[in-house]
Amino acid sequence: YVLTQPPSLSVAPGQTAKITCGGNNIETKNVHWYQQRPGQAPALVVYDETDRPSGVPERFSGSIAGNTATLTISRVEVGDEADYYCQVWHNSSPHPGVFGTGTKVTVL
Amino acid sequence: VSLVQSGAEVVKPGASVKVSCKASGYIFSEFYLNWVRQAPGQGLEWIGWINPRSGGRYLIPTLQDRATLTRDTSINTAYIELTNVTSGDTASYYCARSGKGGLLETWFDPWGQGTLVTVSS
Repeated sequence: YVLTQPPSLSVAPGQTAKITCGGNNIETKNVHWYQQRPGQAPALVVYDETDRPSGVPERFSGSIAGNTATLTISRVEVGDEADYYCQVWHNSSPHPGVFGTGTKVTVL
Repeated sequence: VSLVQSGAEVVKPGASVKVSCKASGYIFSEFYLNWVRQAPGQGLEWIGWINPRSGGRYLIPTLQDRATLTRDTSINTAYIELTNVTSGDTASYYCARSGKGGLLETWFDPWGQGTLVTVSS
């Protein structure tokens, strides 16, 4: 099972970044998103498509429609520069824990 | 709630390495632990899970012959051991707790800080 993300995305401070994650029948799965800043471990920013852990700013939001899940970062800040990964479980696979290919967000 | 991993390792090809992941702030036996690796400059790869309560475990097929997942419930610590390592095993290894107690198919939170394993002669 493959989750496809755009390799990179550039956005100016204060603008909106939309990171997509495409997969077959992804709308039937629970989608989670992680932020990985340079040199750090990944951290959860959205779970179950739309929910945010405590401490994650409201600027981070998730949605899903058709075969695509989207992480939206509103009012982008310099500190949002990071790699972002989507993740699902796909039980009928020998690799049931599946991560997307990752998107590097650069804040101009 | 936190996961603290052991320090970086440099190992020779063909040798073995064991990475630990110590949990605190929650009941260790109630949450699955997952292992994820990341080769230098590459993306995340999920490689397996262990159920601390039962000891049940799973590894991806390419690691089933060379890796072992264990846990010690007396010290709230999980381990991954790799044997007969090659340069292809050079990566950061992360442990990550499943987000819901008793359930495997959830999100991962929190994560350990990662352990860099470098295979070099």
